[in-house]
Amino acid sequence: GAVVSQHPSRVICKSGTSVKIECRSLDFQATTMFWYRQFPKQSLMLMATSNEGSKATYEQGVEKDKFLINHASLTLSTLTVTSAHPEDSSFYICSAVGQGPYEQYFGPGTRLTVT
Amino acid sequence: SQELEQSPQSLIVQEGKNLTINCTSSKTLYGLYWYKQKYGEGLIFLMMLQKGGEEKSHEKITAKLDEKKQQSSLHITASQPSHAGIYLCGATRSGAGSYQLTFGKGTKLSVIP
Repeated sequence: GAVVSQHPSRVICKSGTSVKIECRSLDFQATTMFWYRQFPKQSLMLMATSNEGSKATYEQGVEKDKFLINHASLTLSTLTVTSAHPEDSSFYICSAVGQGPYEQYFGPGTRLTVT
Repeated sequence: SQELEQSPQSLIVQEGKNLTINCTSSKTLYGLYWYKQKYGEGLIFLMMLQKGGEEKSHEKITAKLDEKKQQSSLHITASQPSHAGIYLCGATRSGAGSYQLTFGKGTKLSVIP
């Protein structure tokens, strides 16, 4: 099946710094990617929809200036957590819409820890 | 907004036993996905159901969507340790063309050898 990668898999950063997470579709082009956030023992919460060549659409309550999303190519979307704080520590997962109907593939996730 | 309730929250079964996980929606389900997640890892796609009464099987896993399209079940036959993980149901928010998913909180499955 289609493969989606994320980099890095784990990152620790200091409070106040920014961190970038990459999401790549390895063997297919994805015009649409999604970014989710998952807290321990909680469900995945959709943060934003990333569309290639256009601005991302953010879910209610998600700060677009804090979580910057760039979808510059058909195989890459990036999520930048700006001025990170400990409450931003979480598991971030991206997904990419495939070629076939209703196909959606998830990345392995990135564990962010802000100290 | 749509909410998905999964039950049970956790499940411990002996290897070889059958089990069922349920996913109930507060609204009509237009598309219902089942994923498996290992702790701290990404989601593995299992099955997707759309039509009322639809049933799909893959290896020892069977998923069904009821006629009213508000409840889905995932059934594992003769469970194995490899089935252990967190099972998540996810639903598309609206009709055809929608890919944004709302997820349930997951069911943690442990299989004792």
